[in-house]
Amino acid sequence: KQEVTQIPAALSVPEGENLVLNCSFTDSAIYNLQWFRQDPGKGLTSLLLIQSSQREQTSGRLNASLDKSSGRSTLYIAASQPGDSATYLCAPQAGTALIFGKGTTLSVSS
Amino acid sequence: EPEVTQTPSHQVTQMGQEVILRCVPISNHLYFYWYRQILGQKVEFLVSFYNNEISEKSEIFDDQFSVERPDGSNFTLKIRSTKLEDSAMYFCASSFGTWGVGSGANVLTFGAGSRLTVL
Repeated sequence: KQEVTQIPAALSVPEGENLVLNCSFTDSAIYNLQWFRQDPGKGLTSLLLIQSSQREQTSGRLNASLDKSSGRSTLYIAASQPGDSATYLCAPQAGTALIFGKGTTLSVSS
Repeated sequence: EPEVTQTPSHQVTQMGQEVILRCVPISNHLYFYWYRQILGQKVEFLVSFYNNEISEKSEIFDDQFSVERPDGSNFTLKIRSTKLEDSAMYFCASSFGTWGVGSGANVLTFGAGSRLTVL
């Protein structure tokens, strides 16, 4: 059974810092891995999807890497802004189901 | 930008009552999903649906749950006899494809959620 762990659970930083959020998963037999953002009381917004054959994916200030063999993914956020404050969720996919971690709650102060 | 629409946004019901949560997925998407999130806990997969049948379901999705696509636009989740532990935020999602298809097709679009409170 896939288990997903995200570290740290919470993070508070001043605006402008570069950040690394970590995700580890126990079953490396995945097809892809997605990173989502969840704002309080809201739904999930897809940020990046990395196919199992890829090593990394970039979108604007976000860069996600995937090391499938070691069961790890990282989300790098460059030059953080207050608008980045949210919970970030990692979700590897095997079959049609995404298995989510508990997330990292990020707070960026101005 | 296309979005997934869910109704109701919040429903309060008595234990033992039937509840139907409704979703309108993105029009050209082919795969439909329900997830739930109990307050303070992880988002959990319930079920995926493709070509008018269940593709995959989790252990949570027992005989009390059912899904249906009654017409070309709606996708529903029914809970037959609600329990206190069914209280959660229920998220509907859709995607054009799934694993093995081009990377963009795998991306899930989630709705804003339906909060179910069972008293």
